[in-house]
Amino acid sequence: IAGITQAPTSQILAAGRRMTLRCTQDMRHNAMYWYRQDLGLGLRLIHYSNTAGTTGKGEVPDGYSVSRANTDDFPLTLASAVPSQTSVYFCASSDRGHNEQFFGPGTRLTVL
Amino acid sequence: GQNIDQPTEMTATEGAIVQINCTYQTSGFNGLFWYQQHAGEAPTFLSYNVLDGLEEKGRFSSFLSRSKGYSYLLLKELQMKDSASYLCAVSDSNYQLIWGAGTKLIIKP
Repeated sequence: IAGITQAPTSQILAAGRRMTLRCTQDMRHNAMYWYRQDLGLGLRLIHYSNTAGTTGKGEVPDGYSVSRANTDDFPLTLASAVPSQTSVYFCASSDRGHNEQFFGPGTRLTVL
Repeated sequence: GQNIDQPTEMTATEGAIVQINCTYQTSGFNGLFWYQQHAGEAPTFLSYNVLDGLEEKGRFSSFLSRSKGYSYLLLKELQMKDSASYLCAVSDSNYQLIWGAGTKLIIKP
């Protein structure tokens, strides 16, 4: 692995289904982030984690949950997907909270 | 509230110079970032300014004025591969990044 990976690359999901987006980094970065990107809007922070074992809510956390059991992995779960969660999801990481963020390739999620 | 403003779209000619502006109002300031994002790809880091002035990196330069809440990204000797969206982001008092909606730059031959 080099950098950040995300899985799946894309997914079509029926409304009401549960879905986990995976994110793994191999840079030993302390901080990790989940964003969603919608046309005409900037990247919006969903949840973040400044270090393993801690998480925090971003700008748009409702309907999403995260966990940070170790340094490398930061999965994002949609407990019961709704069409408004159709978006491109990016995972990012940084070495300490205020440095340059490195992004994964993104997951394109469509909820029908 | 927190706000980052940048133009939605700009058009420029190959070989020319273009300046993309960004104005911001945030709760605290811990630096300003510029990222490049090609269509369908992830954002990639271009520059970081925390002090007033100009930072030059090859064909790209970024300027910051903290008193004016203003930054610009200057791209010189434009190439077709520079066609992309350019995202301005400010690190606020909690070191969270607040993002602008991005400027789509179209390069014409």
